[in-house]
Amino acid sequence: EAGVAQSPRYKIIEKRQSVAFWCNPISGHATLYWYQQILGQGPKLLIQFQNNGVVDDSQLPKDRFSAERLKGVDSTLKIQPAKLEDSAVYLCASSLAGTGGSQPQHFGDGTRLSIL
Amino acid sequence: GDSVTQMEGPVTLSEEAFLTINCTYTATGYPSLFWYVQYPGEGLQLLLKATKADDKGSNKGFEATYRKETTSFHLEKGSVQVSDSAVYFCALSRPGNTPLVFGKGTRLSVIA
Repeated sequence: EAGVAQSPRYKIIEKRQSVAFWCNPISGHATLYWYQQILGQGPKLLIQFQNNGVVDDSQLPKDRFSAERLKGVDSTLKIQPAKLEDSAVYLCASSLAGTGGSQPQHFGDGTRLSIL
Repeated sequence: GDSVTQMEGPVTLSEEAFLTINCTYTATGYPSLFWYVQYPGEGLQLLLKATKADDKGSNKGFEATYRKETTSFHLEKGSVQVSDSAVYFCALSRPGNTPLVFGKGTRLSVIA
């Protein structure tokens, strides 16, 4: 099966500019996550979607970050305006919907964002 | 809140050496526990998991046992190879479709 697709792989912008990332999850995966991975740290959740609804966006800096999953399939994450501390790898993950035990999450290769 | 602590790296081993990467967690209830691996230039891949106490996850020669009494999930491999060089992340999640909480990662370098 095709994995989680993300684009672009790399992006370099200047601070205060805007940037957008795209994610296409594995077909049939209802749950989609965006994580931020700062160099030397583990990934941290930004936002979780179930189909096209937001489940958890408590860690999303809403003054500058936004995300949508309009048709319940692919998703975009936007930063506007970018700050230096936003330099990180942005990871998208997807999983099957399910109850009870945790469904494994499948990760894309990520987008490495550098802010100058 | 929930948290994961894993041993600081980097860890450098010779080929065929024994590997242990320590991981402890703090969480209420009964989380599921995972080890993910990140090879250079690639995304995170699930290495193994355990969903309840005393479960042992295993894959590609790696093993980890869910120890509730010590809140630990240490990763072990009996004989590492150069191809095992990567960053290893311990993580937990609560039951259901919930986000992963990751440790900081441990970089492993295996030299021939």
